[in-house]
Amino acid sequence: KAGVTQTPRYLIKTRGQQVTLSCSPISGHRSVSWYQQTPGQGLQFLFEYFSETQRNKGNFPGRFSGRQFSNSRSEMNVSTLELGDSALYLCASSELQGPVRGEQYFGPGTRLTVT
Amino acid sequence: GQQVMQIPQYQHVQEGEDFTTYCNSSTTLSNIQWYKQRPGGHPVFLIQLVKSGEVKKQKRLTFQFGEAKKNSSLHITATQTTDVGTYFCARSYGGSQGNLIFGKGTKLSVKP
Repeated sequence: KAGVTQTPRYLIKTRGQQVTLSCSPISGHRSVSWYQQTPGQGLQFLFEYFSETQRNKGNFPGRFSGRQFSNSRSEMNVSTLELGDSALYLCASSELQGPVRGEQYFGPGTRLTVT
Repeated sequence: GQQVMQIPQYQHVQEGEDFTTYCNSSTTLSNIQWYKQRPGGHPVFLIQLVKSGEVKKQKRLTFQFGEAKKNSSLHITATQTTDVGTYFCARSYGGSQGNLIFGKGTKLSVKP
């Protein structure tokens, strides 16, 4: 099976702009989670989607939003970008069933730089 | 109470030496997962521990879950340069397996 794919891999944006990141999970995985990784804060949970519904949301401002489509592909959007939004954004998919429920399969990430 | 604390933050070892990282929680954990992230890479799942006192081995890696299910450890025997990376522990939260709270990680460097 192909792994989790994320596009684009790198992105440079200016403060105030908005950005949309895309994630395609492993075929058959219906749960998609998003994480932000920064040197200072580490890996932080953004949100989780399952069957097109947001199941959980992390402690991030409303500028961060996401959605999931019927084919399980997911997008996240960040509006009114701030310098502090510069980070590696990781998408992870999981099966939520089987011998290891919740094992997260991470994509390569999108490196977002806000200038 | 949700956080998991990981120590040490950094560890520098000579190739062949052992390495241990510890993960602690103030609350009882339903399970603990361990991930490895190589420099420039993304986290890769290593193992999940569920039972109190559980010990699992993967070649030179030994994972333990405390009796009280509040702490866990990862021990690497005779480190190799391929072990370089950051090791994270993570707990699920909010009743969902897709919501992980990660420790800050232990960055391991191995000197040949």
